[in-house]
Amino acid sequence: GAVVSQHPSRVICKSGTSVKIECRSLDFQATTMFWYRQFPKKSLMLMATSNEGSKATYEQGVEKDKFLINHASLTLSTLTVTSAHPEDSSFYICSVTGVEQFFGPGTRLTVL
Amino acid sequence: GESVGLHLPTLSVQEGDNSIINCAYSNSASDYFIWYKQESGKGPQFIIDIRSNMDKRQGQRVTVLLNKTVKHLSLQIAATQPGDSAVYFCAETVRMLTGGGNKLTFGTGTQLKVEL
Repeated sequence: GAVVSQHPSRVICKSGTSVKIECRSLDFQATTMFWYRQFPKKSLMLMATSNEGSKATYEQGVEKDKFLINHASLTLSTLTVTSAHPEDSSFYICSVTGVEQFFGPGTRLTVL
Repeated sequence: GESVGLHLPTLSVQEGDNSIINCAYSNSASDYFIWYKQESGKGPQFIIDIRSNMDKRQGQRVTVLLNKTVKHLSLQIAATQPGDSAVYFCAETVRMLTGGGNKLTFGTGTQLKVEL
C-alpha cells in the first residue's frame, strides 16, 4: 500500500499562532488527499478533500479560512491551522486514496 | 443524515478467543466497506475490505461479513492476540461525484481489549 508521512508528529503552540502540517505521499502520486480530525476517544471526522492543483473541498461546518489547505504537488498537501485556539487541539490525520485509502501517522496539535 | 455506527464501544476478550466487532450502517447506496485498526497515537491501519456485491471476505485471521438486508457489517478476529488490542473502526465509502477518491464515513469505533 501507499506510504504516507506527516510532519510534525507533535506540535505545541501558543494561542493565536498558525501551525502548518505536511502530508506526504512517499510512493504514490495522489491527486486527492483527505484531512481528518480526531478528538480523544472519538472517531475520525472528515474535514476537507485536498485536490491537486485546485481548491480544497470543505465539509459542512469546517471553516475554510481557518483551515487552509494547499495541494501543490502530487505528493504533498499541507494543512495550516490559522490563529489556533485551544479548541483546535486535536489529532490531525491525512490520507491518500487510490483503490484503497491509506492514512498518515497523524499530527498531535496542542494549543496552549 | 447518513451514518455508520457501532453497537459496542468496548469489547474485552481472552487471549486465544475469537472476537466479533459489529457495525451498522444506514446508507443503502454505500458500495464499499473497510475495517481499520487504530493503535493509540497512530493513524488507522487498513485491515480488510469488502464490496457490496459480496457477503463474506477472509484475510489472515480476519473475516468480514456483510449483510445488506439489515445493513450490518462485522469483523471477526480469530485467535485474538495481545497485539490485536486497539480501536477498530468500520468505514463506508460514498463515491465522489468529481475528482478522485472516495470519501469515507467512519463509525464510532470499538475498543478491543485482549486479556491475558
